[in-house]
Amino acid sequence: GAGVSQSPSNKVTEKGKDVELRCDPISGHTALYWYRQRLGQGLEFLIYFQGNSAPDKSGLPSDRFSAERTGESVSTLTIQRTQQEDSAVYLCASSPAVSTEAFFGQGTRLTVV
Amino acid sequence: AQSVTQLDSQVPVFEEAPVELRCNYSSSVSVYLFWYVQYPNQGLQLLLKYLSGSTLVESINGFEAEFNKSQTSFHLRKPSVHISDTAEYFCAVSERGSYIPTFGRGTSLIVHP
Repeated sequence: GAGVSQSPSNKVTEKGKDVELRCDPISGHTALYWYRQRLGQGLEFLIYFQGNSAPDKSGLPSDRFSAERTGESVSTLTIQRTQQEDSAVYLCASSPAVSTEAFFGQGTRLTVV
Repeated sequence: AQSVTQLDSQVPVFEEAPVELRCNYSSSVSVYLFWYVQYPNQGLQLLLKYLSGSTLVESINGFEAEFNKSQTSFHLRKPSVHISDTAEYFCAVSERGSYIPTFGRGTSLIVHP
């Protein structure tokens, strides 16, 4: 596609359930990033992929969070046993190379009730 | 590790007035600097960037930012704002040799008629 695509755009889930968030980066982009944006706050880094390896997972807030990427394509962010504090907009971005412009998707708004 | 400070969470201004959105960063190495804009109900998009060369960079819609190494700043300015500039503005820094853009908390620019 022309841009970074994220699905679903909105997700409401019950506390304790698992959720999967999907990101389709721009074709050919080797770098992929996941960020979290809580209401009224900035972007919080979660994880970075170079190809399908994740050299930096330091931003994942707990072991309930995990992410994987297939080749230089789709990435999935999984949150297990969701908590109310997980409610946020989850943003995915990709870039053709490191330390250059990141192209963002529209985000997935996750609400845990 | 790098960090970004956007001191102003909200900047109200009247149409056709000048505006400055402040951004300061902290880093022990050379950096790339970015301003991203998020219009209502849209994803983040790059507004302008500094990678090297001229310290004054411009966007196509009249914004400019100047990299000031001694003051570790990258303030965003526009001499005359329009209603359509109402948006959230994020400053970001990426260290050369690192791969993860770090974002500030964002500044909400509100342009009144």
